[in-house]
Amino acid sequence: DTGVSQDPRHKITKRGQNVTFRCDPISEHNRLYWYRQTLGQGPEFLTYFQNEAQLEKSRLLSDRFSAERPKGSFSTLEIQRTEQGDSAMYLCASSQLAGASNEQFFGPGTRLTVL
Amino acid sequence: KQEVTQIPAALSVPEGENLVLNCSFTDSAIYNLQWFRQDPGKGLTSLLLIQSSQREQTSGRLNASLDKSSGRSTLYIAASQPGDSATYLCAFLMDSSYKLIFGSGTRLLVRP
Repeated sequence: DTGVSQDPRHKITKRGQNVTFRCDPISEHNRLYWYRQTLGQGPEFLTYFQNEAQLEKSRLLSDRFSAERPKGSFSTLEIQRTEQGDSAMYLCASSQLAGASNEQFFGPGTRLTVL
Repeated sequence: KQEVTQIPAALSVPEGENLVLNCSFTDSAIYNLQWFRQDPGKGLTSLLLIQSSQREQTSGRLNASLDKSSGRSTLYIAASQPGDSATYLCAFLMDSSYKLIFGSGTRLLVRP
């Protein structure tokens, strides 16, 4: 296993379009997280899954955002009716349910540009 | 609410220098602390993790320390190299939470 993977790596879209991103966590990792990072800032938490259950959502996640993890493996993050303010790097991370450290491992990110 | 500050925001040093990056936090009810490296336009690479009960961790030329009483963590880089040039982020996992809370990072440039 080579780590967390994300697809696509880059996405350019026009305002008002819908976009969907995919994240494949490290196999055997039960926990999956989405973060958003804007230029010059640290990542901000968006949402968290334990297996297929979405257990926490940030207030940053407006009604236009939806995330799923249907079979407890890969996850998708969809943004409807994109706005220029949605332009950011979207990062996915995963960690193991078992074990004390809960160390989170990040993917390469999806860079979204909304024109 | 946890607030995380990283100082300095940017740092430029000549190759070979030992350097210290600082991270301060306001809430000591932390579960663990991670230091990450981020290259431009890339994802985050985990460097070191310190559990709340630990004081420091070492990996190669990197040493991270945690002092909950003073609300500070430091990342020490020995004998810096141009390949160390990147943004370094500290992040905290709080007790009874799943989300990491990040600082804004320190952008490091190591000049040959």
